[in-house]
Amino acid sequence: DVKVTQSSRYLVKRTGEKVFLECVQDMDHENMFWYRQDPGLGLRLIYFSYDVKMKEKGDIPEGYSVSREKKERFSLILESASTNQTSMYLCASIPDTFGEQFFGPGTRLTVL
Amino acid sequence: GENVEQHPSTLSVQEGDSAVIKCTYSDSASNYFPWYKQELGKRPQLIIDIRSNVGEKKDQRIAVTLNKTAKHFSLHITETQPEDSAVYFCAASRTDSWGKLQFGAGTQVVVTP
Repeated sequence: DVKVTQSSRYLVKRTGEKVFLECVQDMDHENMFWYRQDPGLGLRLIYFSYDVKMKEKGDIPEGYSVSREKKERFSLILESASTNQTSMYLCASIPDTFGEQFFGPGTRLTVL
Repeated sequence: GENVEQHPSTLSVQEGDSAVIKCTYSDSASNYFPWYKQELGKRPQLIIDIRSNVGEKKDQRIAVTLNKTAKHFSLHITETQPEDSAVYFCAASRTDSWGKLQFGAGTQVVVTP
């Protein structure tokens, strides 16, 4: 059974703080994704990674960066958190270039 | 890039009735179309998918149809039950995009007993 975990379910940060969201998958998946989910906007892709140390921008990368030092771990970094980054963040992984994406439980981030 | 539009944004149905959600996509190279269900407070999970070489796929009470010419695909849920209440997302992707999905905005389905 594929397991994708995220470091926190709920997080509250102050404007200007550096924020780290971590995602770990235990099934040796090649590709990993970070989305943000906002009501009425669906899931929007922030960044994805198709290999260790390889990353590509998604549709809304501004204000975010990512790190993938190990295959199982994909981190999302908010360099200087802003209130408009208050959202639900979902991580996902996929074994190859096609098929089901397995999602983590999500992190509800509030930036005050 | 790909753009996926999903309608309606909310859908209320009586238990036992059918529900239909429609999506259109813009990139004619897209060839994989999954549907995800997200129950309240839970993670999205794949419920059915279809590839572009198939026009229809069915799994018990759910079915998906694809019209490549018109670039639209639909989710059909028959004999709806209260546990079908959730947000449903359609998505599209292409084989040369590392599994990257473009999601629709979602449909909130409410099944009333």
